Amino acid sequence: DAMVIQNPRYQVTQFGKPVTLSCSQTLNHNVMYWYQQKSSQAPKLLFHYYDKDFNNEADTPDNFQSRRPNTSFCFLDIRSPGLGDAAMYLCATSRDLGSSSYNEQFFGPGTRLTVL
Amino acid sequence: KQEVTQIPAALSVPEGENLVLNCSFTDSAIYNLQWFRQDPGKGLTSLLLIQSSQREQTSGRLNASLDKSSGRSTLYIAASQPGDSATYLCAVRTSGTYKYIFGTGTRLKVLA
Repeated sequence: DAMVIQNPRYQVTQFGKPVTLSCSQTLNHNVMYWYQQKSSQAPKLLFHYYDKDFNNEADTPDNFQSRRPNTSFCFLDIRSPGLGDAAMYLCATSRDLGSSSYNEQFFGPGTRLTVL
Repeated sequence: KQEVTQIPAALSVPEGENLVLNCSFTDSAIYNLQWFRQDPGKGLTSLLLIQSSQREQTSGRLNASLDKSSGRSTLYIAASQPGDSATYLCAVRTSGTYKYIFGTGTRLKVLA
């Protein structure tokens, strides 16, 4: 089945220790998104890639970076995690960004990040 | 600036009831609206996508309606089951933008 996969499902890191979260997709979608979701809150968009074009949200901290080496994979790098970065990180894809149903989003299972 | 509100925040119903979840948005100029389900500690599962030109979409026991002029969408769940227990989120994509704005969700519990 075509899907969005995230690894690992659970990640524990120490304060200040860099961490990388992984997302892969078999949908061959052009757009990949990273969201941060804290407990009982709405998902918050951090950034997205349209193909190789990177689009950062204005309020995304510099501590968060992303890489998309090819269509299938996208990585979220947190350079120096703080206690406030503990959250669920969700990866999503969509076929396109237009106004049609092609912008329907499909999510992976998420990675829960704990910062000690 | 688009704002999305979901009321109530939590809802408990006995099994078998029909129920309605509400989603309100402040800017009626939208491309589409998507309803999701989120189980505890899991990712989001897409339930229904309604485009701006549509008034409703149906999938099994689920029916979502869209009234752009009033800035409202409803998700109707027929004959609820304990397996429907989850948080339901709506997300709106405003015209001229590329991103979805999410509501904080309605946490549904269906009692057996």
